[in-house]
Amino acid sequence: DTGVSQDPRHKITKRGQNVTFRCDPISEHNRLYWYRQTLGQGPEFLTYFQNEAQLEKSRLLSDRFSAERPKGSFSTLEIQRTEQGDSAMYLCASSPSTGEQYFGPGTRLTVT
Amino acid sequence: QQPVQSPQAVILREGEDAVINCSSSKALYSVHWYRQKHGEAPVFLMILLKGGEQKGHEKISASFNEKKQQSSLYLTASQLSYSGTYFCGTERTDKLIFGTGTRLQVFP
Repeated sequence: DTGVSQDPRHKITKRGQNVTFRCDPISEHNRLYWYRQTLGQGPEFLTYFQNEAQLEKSRLLSDRFSAERPKGSFSTLEIQRTEQGDSAMYLCASSPSTGEQYFGPGTRLTVT
Repeated sequence: QQPVQSPQAVILREGEDAVINCSSSKALYSVHWYRQKHGEAPVFLMILLKGGEQKGHEKISASFNEKKQQSSLYLTASQLSYSGTYFCGTERTDKLIFGTGTRLQVFP
């Protein structure tokens, strides 16, 4: 069991640049979630997939954010024209049909 | 709306007990509990479904009262490894809304 992996673990970018993060879920899990977490706060839901279908996207998510899960396997989260307010930990979690979520180690984004 | 947890912080000596509460203003389908250590990802502890069930995991157990829209996490005979921030997650439409968090510190 390799668990959920995320890449990169850290990303420093300049304001206005685009960034893309990757998440590889546990292989037999059909659901994949993206969250954002800032210091001292709980994870905040961004979007989720069941297999390759994106079923819900948070209203808090601007149109600069997009996520894909081609073929229902790995997922990518792209942020276009990054802003300093995007600095956070981006967490991915995968979930089997029983509902519990297993989190990856996260990607820490710093926008300068 | 974000579930509210209480207390915000707990300090314990090894071997002491603690209770962490989670309240929601909305009807719930299920409640999840996670523990997050500093600099690490949240780790799943348990999930409770509608029906007022109580679950146990080693010396950690939880209850879920769907009528009151509340859940409680019980930590007994705490160990140093229990230190971290505990989050409840309330589920309605297949997504989790995480609570405000409770920071637990266990000292020898």
